[in-house]
Amino acid sequence: DQQVKQNSPSLSVQEGRISILNCDYTNSMFDYFLWYKKYPAEGPTFLISISSIKDKNEDGRFTVFLNKSAKHLSLHIVPSQPGDSAVYFCAALVVISSGSARQLTFGSGTQLTVLP
Amino acid sequence: EAQVTQNPRYLITVTGKKLTVTCSQNMNHEYMSWYRQDPGLGLRQIYYSMNVEVTDKGDVPEGYKVSRKEKRNFPLILESPSPNQTSLYFCASRRNVDYGYTFGSGTRLTVV
Repeated sequence: DQQVKQNSPSLSVQEGRISILNCDYTNSMFDYFLWYKKYPAEGPTFLISISSIKDKNEDGRFTVFLNKSAKHLSLHIVPSQPGDSAVYFCAALVVISSGSARQLTFGSGTQLTVLP
Repeated sequence: EAQVTQNPRYLITVTGKKLTVTCSQNMNHEYMSWYRQDPGLGLRQIYYSMNVEVTDKGDVPEGYKVSRKEKRNFPLILESPSPNQTSLYFCASRRNVDYGYTFGSGTRLTVV
């Protein structure tokens, strides 16, 4: 049973418009969420994260929103650029009391294509 | 440069022939992990290690072994590979108190 779900395998948007990537989770114990970006023939790279005590985190063109009651998070990219074309993975973990983290659980990924 | 290095990048092997994929990190990270990526399934954890001589199973450990004799190295061993282990494998590391991983570039394994 997948605890982190990305229901859209692919998304296409026009350059300059907003890209919205969605992620749902089932485990209410998750308290930290991350987004990774992956280009072909490379490993995933960290993009942005959010703690469960927040509902929004912004870093330049990237904003992550968290709706805990709906167990849903989304990544907004504004404006989208062709170089943003990649697979985006949502991931979640449980922070244990000692300050360290349990293993990361990943979603299945969404292929974003930004059209010029 | 801080990095996680995996070798080889590509490997084609036959069923039953033992192989090892190496992973090394130069960041003094305590935590290391192996993931496999399959279409529609995302990244699934195989094994992880929170420090030297401490390893534990992830979500899909069957058919794999690991060892952590030194902090920097975390090899993945397939004693008797089978075609269902054909996949893209990633090694990753982080500090125990951090949340985000640094990933290697991946190893594309094909078992025929």
